[in-house]
Parts: sequence; structure tokens; C-alpha cells
Amino acid sequence: DTAVSQTPKYLVTQMGNDKSIKCEQNLGHDTMYWYKQDSKKFLKIMFSYNNKELIINETVPNRFSPKSPDKAHLNLHINSLELGDSAVYFCASSQAGSGTGELFFGEGSRLTVL
Amino acid sequence: SQKIEQNSEALNIQEGKTATLTCNYTNYSPAYLQWYRQDPGRGPVFLLLIRENEKEKRKERLKVTFDTTLKQSLFHITASQPADSATYLCALNSNSGYALNFGKGTSLLVTP
Repeated sequence: DTAVSQTPKYLVTQMGNDKSIKCEQNLGHDTMYWYKQDSKKFLKIMFSYNNKELIINETVPNRFSPKSPDKAHLNLHINSLELGDSAVYFCASSQAGSGTGELFFGEGSRLTVL
Repeated sequence: SQKIEQNSEALNIQEGKTATLTCNYTNYSPAYLQWYRQDPGRGPVFLLLIRENEKEKRKERLKVTFDTTLKQSLFHITASQPADSATYLCALNSNSGYALNFGKGTSLLVTP
């Protein structure tokens, strides 16, 4: 069984559209994250949720809205997509705060905005 | 501002040699430092965690050092193999403790 799974793996869409990426973890972890990896491969934290509560929002435009229906799921909805949103988005989870334990990453969702 | 710096140049070494990757940081007071491996098209995979009071940590052919005075970690792969070719990421907990911030990674290529 995949520990952290995200769908879709690939997403190609037009500017201005709205899209969602889903993430589920079956590790029983309390904390989940969204990271963005741009074309220069820089992996940057976007959001962190602990037990369904938002604890980090790293100056991400409010077009990005995470939703955590339960602690095993953290979805990412993006409104009014822009060219600069093209990137690979990684979901991750950890048992404790990320400094004290390893992060488990999904395989990534590659978003291409045309 | 907080920075995590890794060698931006790719590291090419011959099979059997020791690869050494560097991670330097500024404006962090990390309690932990982590190393991850990322293969093309895949998510990062955790390798090692070292605490601030640990000078060195080993796991099989991997060795990590952590010098909080120099604000530096070194990551060594001994007896390197072509299968070790990947990008290696250094990561530190943010000062808030809730996020893990990553360096840009160093690409390692091990040739037979």
C-alpha cells in the first residue's frame, strides 16, 4: 500500500481554470504538508496542517486553499490558475512536527498551466 | 533571512570513491538536520536525521556530520555506486518548529 498518495499525477489546464489535487496518507500521522517544487527544483513549504488545523501558511496567494476533512487527507484547491503556478506539488506527512521526525512524501502532482 | 545552501554544481565521481556533499545554513537554530534523496520524477525519501548534540551519524554507507558552530553538515557516501546517483537535499526545521525547509539539493552522478 502506498503510504502517501496524491492524485492526479499529471494535470494540464488553461490559465484561469480552477483545479484540485487530493492527498491521502495511511500512516496514521498527525501532520500533513503541501510543498511546491518549481522548475529550478527548489522545494518550498506552502501549508502545514496538524490534526486538521492549519498551522503554517507560507505567504501563499489566497487562490490556493487547502482543505483537511480529516487528519488522513489534505487537499489543495487552486483558483484562477496562472502560468507561474506550473510546478510539481508534493504532499507529505509526519508523525510529529517536521523537525523531529522524517517526512514521507507522495510522488508529486505535476501541474502545467498553458 | 534564513538560508540553506548546498553545492549548486553537480558532483561527478567515479564508482567506489567517497562522495561528500555540503550543506551550510544561516539564521537557523536547528535542533535537527535531515538529509533526503530525490530521484527524477519521484518524491524525496528520508535518509538520515542528526540532532544538534550529535556530531556524527552513520547508516550503512552513509555518514552525516553536524557542526553547529560552523553551521554546516557534511553528507558522505562511501564506496559509491551508480545507483547512488540522485539529488540529495538537506533540510532544517524552521525556527517555529512546524515546517521543514529544504536546500536546493546537490545532484550526484556516480559513473562506473
